[in-house]
Amino acid sequence: QKEVEQNSGPLSVPEGAIASLNCTYSDRGSQSFFWYRQYSGKSPELIMSIYSNGDKEDGRFTAQLNKASQYVSLLIRDSQPSDSATYLCAVSGGSYIPTFGRGTSLIVHP
Amino acid sequence: GAGVSQSPSNKVTEKGKDVELRCDPISGHTALYWYRQSLGQGLEFLIYFQGNSAPDKSGLPSDRFSAERTGGSVSTLTIQRTQQEDSAVYLCASSLAPLTGELFFGEGSRLTVL
Repeated sequence: QKEVEQNSGPLSVPEGAIASLNCTYSDRGSQSFFWYRQYSGKSPELIMSIYSNGDKEDGRFTAQLNKASQYVSLLIRDSQPSDSATYLCAVSGGSYIPTFGRGTSLIVHP
Repeated sequence: GAGVSQSPSNKVTEKGKDVELRCDPISGHTALYWYRQSLGQGLEFLIYFQGNSAPDKSGLPSDRFSAERTGGSVSTLTIQRTQQEDSAVYLCASSLAPLTGELFFGEGSRLTVL
């Protein structure tokens, strides 16, 4: 059973701070890693993908992957109230079918 | 269309009735996925279509669930003899290429079984 684990939160951070979201996965054969953002009542939206160890930066977002530790994280710099959402970690391997975690709720308060 | 289109957006039905949910993927996307999301839960994989290959049905929870994809484009998810536990948001997603797993989701079909 492939599992993707996330702390459900909520993670509460002040506006302007760095939000750090974490995810662990069980399948060592996983090859592709994704972060999706889901606003309440809306569908998930892809914000980051990462395929190799290390960091990948896109604007205020940085994804970090450590395959040896089976760990992937998402950093959001200069957090804004509009970043308040649930962040879903997804992992896929040879089957090309992403397995999703249950998500971490992020609250950015002014 | 510009994005993945799903219909109906909301469906209320009585226990025991059959329902059909439709998904129109982004043009040119060869991979199509169905997931469902129950209140407060994560995304549960249901079925995956890739081009003309046989679909991966490994996530379908029972034989009351079936799906087809016609002409490599539009997909229909059918739930027969609906039960209250089938109540959820059914999400369709498409992907340009299966190897990336970068999914683009529709807005979902919210199913309520009374």
